Amino acid sequence: EVHLLESGGGLVQPGGSLRLSCAASGFTFSTYAMSWVRQAPGKGLEWVSSISGGGVDTYFADSVKGRFTISRDNAKNTVYLEMNSLRAEDTAVYYCAKGQGYQVLSYFDYWGQGTLVTVSS
Amino acid sequence: AIQLTQSPSSLSASVGDRVTITCRASQDIITTLAWYQQKPGKAPNLLIYDASSLESGVPSRFSGSGSGTDFTLTISSLQPEDVATYYCQQFNSYFTFGGGTKVEIK
Repeated sequence: EVHLLESGGGLVQPGGSLRLSCAASGFTFSTYAMSWVRQAPGKGLEWVSSISGGGVDTYFADSVKGRFTISRDNAKNTVYLEMNSLRAEDTAVYYCAKGQGYQVLSYFDYWGQGTLVTVSS
Repeated sequence: AIQLTQSPSSLSASVGDRVTITCRASQDIITTLAWYQQKPGKAPNLLIYDASSLESGVPSRFSGSGSGTDFTLTISSLQPEDVATYYCQQFNSYFTFGGGTKVEIK
């Protein structure tokens, strides 16, 4: 059974940094792309970033480009989202999602339960 | 960037009704479209992929159709457990989600 467990969320001040982790199990982690999707309180879904199975190809939404970094450790079955220069508008539940294939451009067939990031002074 | 416009933004229907949600893309995305269901306080759940393929385990009352720029999600007979917000997503060029359609029981 596929399982994705996010961690690392919390309260951070504007301009601060946070690293989210997503631990995966139940599938061959290195052969699937992984993504982060966020949802601001009471709002819709917004794609944030994706990384290919091997970790070579990474993609970012314009809203986070230059501030967020995505990486993965296939030995630990974990994907990370490093978030810097955080702003109030980054406040959201951040979901980890598994892609259907090795390459990034595919739908998301499994999602984690999410971790809340609150950016506030 | 490809935009996705969902309509309606909300709807209320009776149990047993046929419900249709539409999603329009700002450019041709062939069939690179998925539909997700999100219940309050929960993560999204994949319903339909490649515009019309039903994800394993999803009830057959859900169906998807369309290609190019116009897509539809249909619930053939609305059930109480279908109360949720539904999102379309394109994966042709990066990713975009529609604004969501909140479905309630009348």
